[in-house]
Amino acid sequence: SQQGEEDPQALSIQEGENATMNCSYKTSINNLQWYRQNSGRGLVHLILIRSNEREKHSGRLRVTLDTSKKSSSLLITASRAADTASYFCATDWYTDKLIFGTGTRLQVFP
Amino acid sequence: DTGVSQNPRHKITKRGQNVTFRCDPISEHNRLYWYRQTLGQGPEFLTYFQNEAQLEKSRLLSDRFSAERPKGSFSTLEIQRTEQGDSAMYLCASSLRSAGAYEQYFGPGTRLTVT
Repeated sequence: SQQGEEDPQALSIQEGENATMNCSYKTSINNLQWYRQNSGRGLVHLILIRSNEREKHSGRLRVTLDTSKKSSSLLITASRAADTASYFCATDWYTDKLIFGTGTRLQVFP
Repeated sequence: DTGVSQNPRHKITKRGQNVTFRCDPISEHNRLYWYRQTLGQGPEFLTYFQNEAQLEKSRLLSDRFSAERPKGSFSTLEIQRTEQGDSAMYLCASSLRSAGAYEQYFGPGTRLTVT
């Protein structure tokens, strides 16, 4: 079963704008990861944040984690058409078993 | 750099038939995972191996499903007596499990259609 939900389910923006998507989860976690999936293809790992971290940056990506609210957000700054994809959060609890959310479909228009 | 590969990429089968998928992980990775993804949903964990040992199986993995990883290299996932509800994308991932390293590298998936 899914761990939680991403919000919004779908997001459409223009190139150059920022995109923010949120992930809520249900149980305690050790790590939270964000993955990207281009249409009909495998997933690509973007960033991992540990439960004792609050914010992490990687290039144009910024991830925050609030364990008290059981939520995380992914911010993509200065979006590009190539960022068009589905984005999933995934959590683990001291095992390798990843529990994925339902995903946010991002469309970036040129 | 060779990533995770999966074969076949697409499989169409009739209900009741058996199917087998193959996954070749990144060569130095000791852990291998299988997930299933249906349209509009996130991937769901099925099972994973460390080397040749199967360490965990999801309750989603009914007795019609079996996975193996002989010699700790490639893995196969077999579905016996397929049902229409088995139609999904089957994703394989691998990782080099070391202290603090949780990143999983995914293959392109095998899309199964049961008619």
